[in-house]
Amino acid sequence: DAKTTQPNSMESNEEEPVHLPCNHSTISGTDYIHWYRQLPSQGPEYVIHGLTSNVNNRMASLAIAEDRKSSTLILHRATLRDAAVYYCILSGYNFNKFYFGSGTKLNVKP
Amino acid sequence: DAGVTQSPTHLIKTRGQQVTLRCSPKSGHDTVSWYQQALGQGPQFIFQYYEEEERQRGNFPDRFSGHQYPNYSSELNVNALLLGDSALYLCASSGTGAPDTQYFGPGTRLTVL
Repeated sequence: DAKTTQPNSMESNEEEPVHLPCNHSTISGTDYIHWYRQLPSQGPEYVIHGLTSNVNNRMASLAIAEDRKSSTLILHRATLRDAAVYYCILSGYNFNKFYFGSGTKLNVKP
Repeated sequence: DAGVTQSPTHLIKTRGQQVTLRCSPKSGHDTVSWYQQALGQGPQFIFQYYEEEERQRGNFPDRFSGHQYPNYSSELNVNALLLGDSALYLCASSGTGAPDTQYFGPGTRLTVL
């Protein structure tokens, strides 16, 4: 299984941008990069995904390194509701299982 | 449009018993995956069902089995429960288009005493 490496925890101030890094040096050419987040006692929530190019949606932006060996999830203005565990996951083109690492626990201070 | 639903929300069993957990996928999805999440850890893949057959399996014993029905809903069965089976069991559904973005349900919290 393609693995990812993330910091165990990060802290941010409310209304400031947050950059959550992820290393995936063993990524293959067809692996997509997914980001999910999980609030306590809830199922993981889809945030964003990408393949090669940077991606933006209403929740966040995903910046993918040119060699695809790392990526960064960007929350443009953190809110208290963004406090969660963020998982960076690689998956194949289709019908491949997700391998979750330990994720990054994001704490947002008011 | 209802998302992924799971039942029951919570369940308490004793060692040696058997349990069945249920999942209804998001409308339009035909693939269901099950995950086990122990406290403080990331979800671990159990298996995936597509067209009523187990397509992939993670590193879980045969005590864990599943089923998918023609309407794409799915069940996870665990036999001979152990204390270590206590966890949050998550169901995720996805469609056949690429990429394989999965949508998760709220989970079933299983406690084995």
